[in-house]
Amino acid sequence: DAGVIQSPRHEVTEMGQEVTLRCKPISGHNSLFWYRQTMMRGLELLIYFNNNVPIDDSGMPEDRFSAKMPNASFSTLKIQPSEPRDSAVYFCASSFPSGSQGNEQFFGPGTRLTVL
Amino acid sequence: AQSVTQLDSQVPVFEEAPVELRCNYSSSVSVYLFWYVQYPNQGLQLLLKYLSGSTLVKGINGFEAEFNKSQTSFHLRKPSVHISDTAEYFCAVSEAGGYQKVTFGTGTKLQVIP
Repeated sequence: DAGVIQSPRHEVTEMGQEVTLRCKPISGHNSLFWYRQTMMRGLELLIYFNNNVPIDDSGMPEDRFSAKMPNASFSTLKIQPSEPRDSAVYFCASSFPSGSQGNEQFFGPGTRLTVL
Repeated sequence: AQSVTQLDSQVPVFEEAPVELRCNYSSSVSVYLFWYVQYPNQGLQLLLKYLSGSTLVKGINGFEAEFNKSQTSFHLRKPSVHISDTAEYFCAVSEAGGYQKVTFGTGTKLQVIP
């Protein structure tokens, strides 16, 4: 398996622009997680899906952030409009159904977002 | 709800010396425990995990951890570190059998000194 795939790997944009990050989870995994990592805040859980349904979005910073999972093999995280403080590395992770593999999460390589 | 505490934000250690990275957790139910490693400019990858059974868990790259239920700890150890072990290490906990949300600690940066 190719592992969790994220695109793009790097994104540089200007303040006010819309940014869309993409994630393809590992086939057979039924949970998907979006994280944000910064020096100041460390690793933060933004939202997670179970069987394509959002379960907990309490970590989404504000209404500018939205996430979708239209099917089991694809998810997007959108920021509109983007701001410089959104600059961070965004990770996507996926895991097997509960009880299998002990909820171990498999991480993608991340998208490094820079908002100028 | 569960939580994880990694008391040491940075740990410097000389090459070939032993190291212990500390992790304490809090939970009202049974848990799964994990250690992840993050090398510079990469995602997190699993070092080892405790699900049940033996409290001493062996992982990749010579690391091991011991689950201590009475002390609610899951410390990570390696008897002899290498330069290549320089990375950030995250302890994590998940509720056993529940939704797959995993709570991560704040990370410990291990710096191996030549």
